[in-house]
Amino acid sequence: KAGVTQTPRYLIKTRGQQVTLSCSPISGHRSVSWYQQTPGQGLQFLFEYFSETQRNKGNFPGRFSGRQFSNSRSEMNVSTLELGDSALYLCASSLEGGSGRGAFFGQGTRLTVV
Amino acid sequence: AQTVTQSQPEMSVQEAETVTLSCTYDTSENNYYLFWYKQPPSRQMILVIRQEAYKQQNATENRFSVNFQKAAKSFSLKISDSQLGDTAMYFCAFMKQDNFNKFYFGSGTKLNVKP
Repeated sequence: KAGVTQTPRYLIKTRGQQVTLSCSPISGHRSVSWYQQTPGQGLQFLFEYFSETQRNKGNFPGRFSGRQFSNSRSEMNVSTLELGDSALYLCASSLEGGSGRGAFFGQGTRLTVV
Repeated sequence: AQTVTQSQPEMSVQEAETVTLSCTYDTSENNYYLFWYKQPPSRQMILVIRQEAYKQQNATENRFSVNFQKAAKSFSLKISDSQLGDTAMYFCAFMKQDNFNKFYFGSGTKLNVKP
């Protein structure tokens, strides 16, 4: 069974640009959540999607958005990039997202904003 | 608000020995889950062990076990017979029941297993 796949693995963008990251969950998983990991702030929750609906959202500005498709694949978008958006972005999937079984994470996308 | 504290930024242990990583959390919730995740240099977070707050029995997964003290809001991880492959960052995480994979993570403990 394939794991959680995130693409691309690495990305370099310029301040002011926008970026889209992709996450393909484990087959059969309908919940996808996103996290930002930085040395200063640690791991912070961005948002969670289930059956194409956002069920939960963290405390990030509106420049961070996401969506989920009918096949459960998810994308997150960051517009008007700032230097502080440089981070490892992790995606996690699970069957339904609330059972406490935990989630399976991808290897992340390393975003560098210059 | 929920907070998770890992007070040990870095720890070292000799191969085959036992090590305990500490974690405390603060919450007013009664129903929640606790997790330990491992993040090796490959960056992928791997679930090590999980505990439901309503269960008094401590969870065990092979060489990994937890000491869950609900009243003290403490959730430590014990790794027995440490192996070189255990070298990684370890994160303690909290999730409220039915909170849709919104984990609150601690700052992590870097564990070095020495040969």
